[in-house]
This record gives sequence, C-alpha cells and structure tokens, in this order.
Amino acid sequence: ELKVEQNPLFLSMQEGKNYTIYCNYSTTSDRLYWYRQDPGKSLESLFVLLSNGAVKQEGRLMASLDTKARLSTLHITAAVHDLSATYFCAVDIWYSGGGADGLTFGKGTHLIIQP
Amino acid sequence: EAGVTQFPSHSVIEKGQTVTLRCDPISGHDNLYWYRRVMGKEIKFLLHFVKESKQDESGMPNNRFLAERTGGTYSTLKVQPAELEDSGVYFCASSHRQSHPSVPEAFFGQGTRLTVV
Repeated sequence: ELKVEQNPLFLSMQEGKNYTIYCNYSTTSDRLYWYRQDPGKSLESLFVLLSNGAVKQEGRLMASLDTKARLSTLHITAAVHDLSATYFCAVDIWYSGGGADGLTFGKGTHLIIQP
Repeated sequence: EAGVTQFPSHSVIEKGQTVTLRCDPISGHDNLYWYRRVMGKEIKFLLHFVKESKQDESGMPNNRFLAERTGGTYSTLKVQPAELEDSGVYFCASSHRQSHPSVPEAFFGQGTRLTVV
C-alpha cells in the first residue's frame, strides 16, 4: 500500500523567513503533485513534478522531486502572510504500478505565517 | 469556464439518515473522482468514473456508499444509512481523459462537509 508522509503537519512561522515542507512516499512513482487549500475552498494545484530532479518555481514557492529518495520538498522563501494555507502533496498511484486510479495524499501541512 | 462544483457545501444529518452529495465536473471532463478526508486523516481516494462507467471503486468504504454518474455528466454519492464515522469532507475532482501517460491535471471542487450526529 502506498503511503505518503508529510512533515511537519503544522508550521507557524514569521514573515520573511524560509522553510521547507517535506513529502516522503513509500513506493516508486514519478508523478508528484503539490496542492494548496484555503479554508472552505477547493484544492488548488500548485505544481506537478514528473521526473527525477524536477524543480519548479512559482513566486516564493519552489518544489523539487528526488524519485530515488522518494522525496519531494516544497520550499518557501521569504514567507508572506498570503501563503498561509494547508499544503498537500499527493502521489499518482496509477503511475506507480499500483493498479488503481486516483491520488494518494499526505495529511497536509497547516501553515500559518504571522506578520 | 466554470470549475468543479459540489452541492451542498455543508450537510448535517442524524445517524441513520440518508444524504446525497452532488458533483458537477468541468464540462467535457470524462474523468471524475471522489475523495474523502476524515478529520485528522489523509484525503483518501474513493472511486473513479470514466464517463458513466466506474473505473475503480476500490476506495469505497462499504456498501452504504453508492456513487452514480448517469449520462456521464454530474455524479452523486449517496450514503445510506449514514454513520458517525462517515463525517468528513468529500471532494470531487475531474480531468480530461488520458489516452496515454500524460498529465491530465485534476481540478477539485470546494468539497462538501458532512457531519453525522
């Protein structure tokens, strides 16, 4: 069974600081997603990482994927309050050969950025 | 273009009652997924439709859950009878049909928060 673990699950940080959220997964897959969710809103796709060594950046967020280590990171640079949200990583089961469809999600990282 | 819409946004029902959740995918999306997040747990895959056909329903918890997608457009998820442990947020997502390994990005609805009391 594919397992996806995120850490930390909760993070409170000050504006201007840098931090990294980690996402480990238990079986081979080369498709990993990062989503953002604001309270009461839908999951917003941030990044889709398709191959080993993939790095994508959007504003103050940068995501990377190491398929050999089965690890993805979401790095926040010079955090601002607007980035406060819950961030989920998810792995595509289908492409890991699990035989089933759908995404396997981590528990999410609840991020609070304080002024 | 309208996104994935779910109805209702919040439902509170008593144990033993029936609730039906609805999902309207993005027009033209053949893939439709249901997920559930129980409080404090991961978002879990429930099932996947391709048009009106169930492609995979391995994530459905038990036979109290019934999903349909008649006509291949909107989908409903019925819980009958509801139990306390069914409380959670139910998400729907849709994407284009993938004909080969590509990146059919899934778009999520805002979710339906179900509370069973």
